[in-house]
Amino acid sequence: GAVVSQHPSRVICKSGTSVKIECRSLDFQATTMFWYRQFPKQSLMLMATSNEGSKATYEQGVEKDKFLINHASLTLSTLTVTSAHPEDSSFYICSARGLGEKLFFGSGTQLSVL
Amino acid sequence: QQQVKQSPQSLIVQKGGIPIINCAYENTAFDYFPWYQQFPGKGPALLIAIRPDVSEKKEGRFTISFNKSAKQFSLHIMDSQPGDSATYFCAASEGGGTYKYIFGTGTRLKVLA
Repeated sequence: GAVVSQHPSRVICKSGTSVKIECRSLDFQATTMFWYRQFPKQSLMLMATSNEGSKATYEQGVEKDKFLINHASLTLSTLTVTSAHPEDSSFYICSARGLGEKLFFGSGTQLSVL
Repeated sequence: QQQVKQSPQSLIVQKGGIPIINCAYENTAFDYFPWYQQFPGKGPALLIAIRPDVSEKKEGRFTISFNKSAKQFSLHIMDSQPGDSATYFCAASEGGGTYKYIFGTGTRLKVLA
């Protein structure tokens, strides 16, 4: 089956630092990847759509300068949380589109900003 | 218009019971409806999905029932087990090349041994 690897699974950082999260499709090429944010006991909120070789499309209310997305290859997309603050603490999840409309999700990254 | 309403918020059943989770949508342009299972601290995993031209789909112990006229769909878990205890999300996609999913609010299921 399609596997999406997300790394790191957990990161703790100081306020003001930047954190990079990687999302890789291991056994398929993903022209489109998505980044979500999930608060405890809540649903997944789409942050942005990442297309290989082009600029990401951000959802309304998501700061593109705060959440930098790069999709440099068909198997890798990265999300960088710049100048992180405690309010950025959350569970971040990526997904990659496989065949048809199926989305396969990474295992998530728990970000804690002190 | 873009919302997917999911109920109940939480559900407790005995082992062997059949929990039913319901979702409703308004946007008639939605044409793909997947269900995901999520364990704490993990990403969602695709369980089963359906398109509007089918009224029911079964995969193992999971069944989706779809009512196009009512714009509702539901997940049934047959012979539920304690290992099925997780949060379940329905979703809807408009297709058309965007593949953006709109997720329901989630249902926390607990199956008692």
